[in-house]
Amino acid sequence: DVKVTQSSRYLVKRTGEKVFLECVQDMDHENMFWYRQDPGLGLRLIYFSYDVKMKEKGDIPEGYSVSREKKERFSLILESASTNQTSMYLCASSPGWPGEKLFFGSGTQLSVL
Amino acid sequence: SQKIEQNSEALNIQEGKTATLTCNYTNYSPAYLQWYRQDPGRGPVFLLLIRENEKEKRKERLKVTFDTTLKQSLFHITASQPADSATYLCALAPAGNTPLVFGKGTRLSVIA
Repeated sequence: DVKVTQSSRYLVKRTGEKVFLECVQDMDHENMFWYRQDPGLGLRLIYFSYDVKMKEKGDIPEGYSVSREKKERFSLILESASTNQTSMYLCASSPGWPGEKLFFGSGTQLSVL
Repeated sequence: SQKIEQNSEALNIQEGKTATLTCNYTNYSPAYLQWYRQDPGRGPVFLLLIRENEKEKRKERLKVTFDTTLKQSLFHITASQPADSATYLCALAPAGNTPLVFGKGTRLSVIA
């Protein structure tokens, strides 16, 4: 089975802190994604990557950056965390094309105080 | 504007009945549509993918239909069980090689 592992299930940070969310997949998938999920707003795409060192902005990239130095690892960075970035963050990967079925991690619930 | 809408935020159904969830989309022409299941505090899990040239797809007690004229997909769970209680998400790719866009989900509760 494909495994997508997110480094933390719960994270509490202070406003202004730099936050790193890590995601690792073990199936050699080309594509990796970061979504955030908020009640009433559903899943929204932050960034995605279809190759090592490549990144593309999603629908809500403001306040975030990403890094993909190795194929299996995709990191989401909050340069200066703000309270409106409190959310569930979900990492996903897919083989083949970006619109193919996604394999999700368990999510990181981030609280910014 | 482009929209993908799941009409019901929540749906309650008696055990053993068929649950039917609706996904409508506007101003998209997707080649396929997907359905996911999400349990509380967990990531979504892929269930089914249906292509535009497939009218219906089945997997065990699940059935999905895709009507490109109505711009609608229906997701059915037959003989529903309390274990089917979860949020179900539909998703589509706006163009052939673009990431998925998700509906907000329908929270299904199957009551014993």
